[in-house]
Amino acid sequence: DTEVTQTPKHLVMGMTNKKSLKCEQHMGHRAMYWYKQKAKKPPELMFVYSYEKLSINESVPSRFSPECPNSSLLNLHLHALQPEDSALYLCASSQSRDFYEQYFGPGTRLTVT
Amino acid sequence: DQQVKQNSPSLSVQEGRISILNCDYTNSMFDYFLWYKKYPAEGPTFLISISSIKDKNEDGRFTVFLNKSAKHLSLHIVPSQPGDSAVYFCAAPGAGNMLTFGGGTRLMVKP
Repeated sequence: DTEVTQTPKHLVMGMTNKKSLKCEQHMGHRAMYWYKQKAKKPPELMFVYSYEKLSINESVPSRFSPECPNSSLLNLHLHALQPEDSALYLCASSQSRDFYEQYFGPGTRLTVT
Repeated sequence: DQQVKQNSPSLSVQEGRISILNCDYTNSMFDYFLWYKKYPAEGPTFLISISSIKDKNEDGRFTVFLNKSAKHLSLHIVPSQPGDSAVYFCAAPGAGNMLTFGGGTRLMVKP
């Protein structure tokens, strides 16, 4: 099973809302990632968790707040977003940070109004 | 500075023929490369990878070639099928397994 699931599929939120994106994998992977993808651009890394600890934060604004409650779950909490934050948010996992193959979820399409 | 580049934004190929997607990189520290395929509204799907100790890796219809001296890799799909129509990204892991993606090439396979 190489499945990474993400909920919700689509999300529309206002600039004053607070919402969360959820990602789950049951492959026993110990590294999990958040990426952001704008239209016609490649995915860009936001955060890396390794063994439930945040190991990389690619200078992401504080209105994005990641959380890794356990080894299978990864959340991305959103607050006071801007319209330019509208994008496809992708979650990925790999066996560990030493294993290069990352498996991606289907993404959450976020629209900020 | 783009460390991984895909200079062809799109490629159109007839069904049954060979598709060749190209990727160039500038960082000589990269020692592993991956190809991902992406359909609209879906996440990237891992396709095939190659380590820098090899110059070729094959998996069914997909073969990746690596030319280290030219800092160039290519993905060959033979024979191409309409279901292969998607955007293809090459990627290289940097420090901490941070994937750097190329800009992508949209492949269209015509029946």
